[in-house]
Amino acid sequence: DGGITQSPKYLFRKEGQNVTLSCEQNLNHDAMYWYRQDPGQGLRLIYYSQIVNDFQKGDIAEGYSVSREKKESFPLTVTSAQKNPTAFYLCASRGDRVWNQPQHFGDGTRLSIL
Amino acid sequence: QKEVEQNSGPLSVPEGAIASLNCTYSDRGSQSFFWYRQYSGKSPELIMFIYSNGDKEDGRFTAQLNKASQYVSLLIRDSQPSDSATYLCVLGTSYGKLTFGQGTILTVHP
Repeated sequence: DGGITQSPKYLFRKEGQNVTLSCEQNLNHDAMYWYRQDPGQGLRLIYYSQIVNDFQKGDIAEGYSVSREKKESFPLTVTSAQKNPTAFYLCASRGDRVWNQPQHFGDGTRLSIL
Repeated sequence: QKEVEQNSGPLSVPEGAIASLNCTYSDRGSQSFFWYRQYSGKSPELIMFIYSNGDKEDGRFTAQLNKASQYVSLLIRDSQPSDSATYLCVLGTSYGKLTFGQGTILTVHP
């Protein structure tokens, strides 16, 4: 089945540690996005990528890094510089050729601090 | 002013009633409008999208858009307990970025 796969479902980070969240899609979508959701708040954009080997900062990029070496994959690294990483992280993709198409989401990764 | 403002919740309706979810926005350049449903602990799922002024119906759901008033709404007819969730009003721009409202919690009680 086509879709977006995020892993792991739950992740724990120790102080000073970098952790990487995986996002893979087999929808042949060009554009991919990372969001963060905190309780009672809307989704906030961390990074997005419209094409392989290119990505742009979103509204809250500080303390995060990404790469887009393959069309199918858009991993997010939460660095030790992100002092409040506890949140629900959502990856999304969109068929970019038609600008008004909606984004579709993976099942998310819950990150907590140990 | 927030870019996307949804009616404050939580909203509680009896089973079988019409649930009305409202959203106003500030960016007149917004061109696409989406409603996502998010169950507790789950990721958002798309339920409706609308691009033109007027109404768009899909089963029990009707989306309404008024660009002059910068207003978009979602009506859910014959509400069911399974409709209980957080509903996110989302705006899109021509370059693909989305702006999310904070969500309205809907509870449908039997």
